[in-house]
Amino acid sequence: QQQVRQSPQSLTVWEGETAILNCSYEDSTFNYFPWYQQFPGEGPALLISISSVSDKKEDGRFTIFFNKREKKLSLHITDSQPGDSATYFCAASDYGGSGNKLIFGTGTLLSVKP
Amino acid sequence: EAAVTQSPRSKVAVTGGKVTLSCHQTNNHDYMYWYRQDTGHGLRLIHYSYVADSTEKGDIPDGYKASRPSQENFSLILELASLSQTAVYFCASSDPSSSYEQYFGPGTRLTVL
Repeated sequence: QQQVRQSPQSLTVWEGETAILNCSYEDSTFNYFPWYQQFPGEGPALLISISSVSDKKEDGRFTIFFNKREKKLSLHITDSQPGDSATYFCAASDYGGSGNKLIFGTGTLLSVKP
Repeated sequence: EAAVTQSPRSKVAVTGGKVTLSCHQTNNHDYMYWYRQDTGHGLRLIHYSYVADSTEKGDIPDGYKASRPSQENFSLILELASLSQTAVYFCASSDPSSSYEQYFGPGTRLTVL
């Protein structure tokens, strides 16, 4: 069964610190890995994504590091702000392959303390 | 502004009753999806659709039906609601050229008593 795993389940950092959220997957056919951010009472929203041909994707304070050989990726949030407090979902897709579905991890609840 | 809207935003239903959740998108997207969210399970795909008048089963379709009468509208139907279907339900849409980028609605909180 296709699975996407995330750790830790919850994470607390101080304002200004770097938060590191981890993700791993099993299916080698996955080739796109979006991260979604969800605030309480809202739907998830795409934050940043990476394809399997890249090992790093940066967008402001958010950076994805991707290790294809180990089937692992991580989201780094530098200079964390209280407004970054949310749940972060790692997802995987075999875009262009057998389907157009996303497989979501169970999420990491990030709390940034001022 | 392009958006995905859902109705109702919350609903209380009785066990064995019929529930219909509605989704409307103005993104002009061909693809639409229904997910449920439960604590500890993340988001799980129930049904999805590539085109109007056609639906596909997702990963957890049992107990749910879907209807896509037009490009803009996608409904999720619980014919006989059960306690285990208490959850938050999200609708999403995407363009075929970037199906990994999905746009989500605000969710419907369903409580089955």
